[in-house]
Amino acid sequence: SQQGEEDPQALSIQEGENATMNCSYKTSINNLQWYRQNSGRGLVHLILIRSNEREKHSGRLRVTLDTSKKSSSLLITASRAADTASYFCATARTSGYSTLTFGKGTMLLVSP
Amino acid sequence: SQTIHQWPATLVQPVGSPLSLECTVEGTSNPNLYWYRQAAGRGLQLLFYSVGIGQISSEVPQNLSASRPQDRQFILSSKKLLLSDSGFYLCAWSVGTGDGYTFGSGTRLTVV
Repeated sequence: SQQGEEDPQALSIQEGENATMNCSYKTSINNLQWYRQNSGRGLVHLILIRSNEREKHSGRLRVTLDTSKKSSSLLITASRAADTASYFCATARTSGYSTLTFGKGTMLLVSP
Repeated sequence: SQTIHQWPATLVQPVGSPLSLECTVEGTSNPNLYWYRQAAGRGLQLLFYSVGIGQISSEVPQNLSASRPQDRQFILSSKKLLLSDSGFYLCAWSVGTGDGYTFGSGTRLTVV
């Protein structure tokens, strides 16, 4: 079953602007991860935030996690045309063999 | 460093024909291995995962099967393809089941 749901489904911005994508999930998680997928390619792991963390940074990426609201956001600052891709959140549950459950993704288009 | 190889990149197969997709990982031992399928414009659906040689867990009952004949080899198979088997198939590995995944470049399967 789909655990994470990204919002919006599509986002179109200009270079230099910030892009914010949101993810909501339903059950308790061990961690939440964000991935990027260029068209027709495999997914690339961007960042992992654990359930006891509230914010994490990696370069131009900033991820927040609110476990009380079961939501996360990914902020890409000073976007570039090369950031154009689909972005997926994935959650790892707390029980058993915790495989990742992916959302449907946000398609980001950054125009020059 | 660890690498993951997935082939072929594209495949066009007639309905009723068999399928074999192969995935191998280099540079690590006892990886957790996964097969996901991505339908057009959709998220990723976990098909199979394996935490060790000969150990296969199926997430979705369907026309496909998986095998792990060696520690770093994961094979996705079908005896008779259906039109509904078309999609983008992705292999991935991780150290632990809740850790970040490294994905292969994917196989675009079209069943005609």
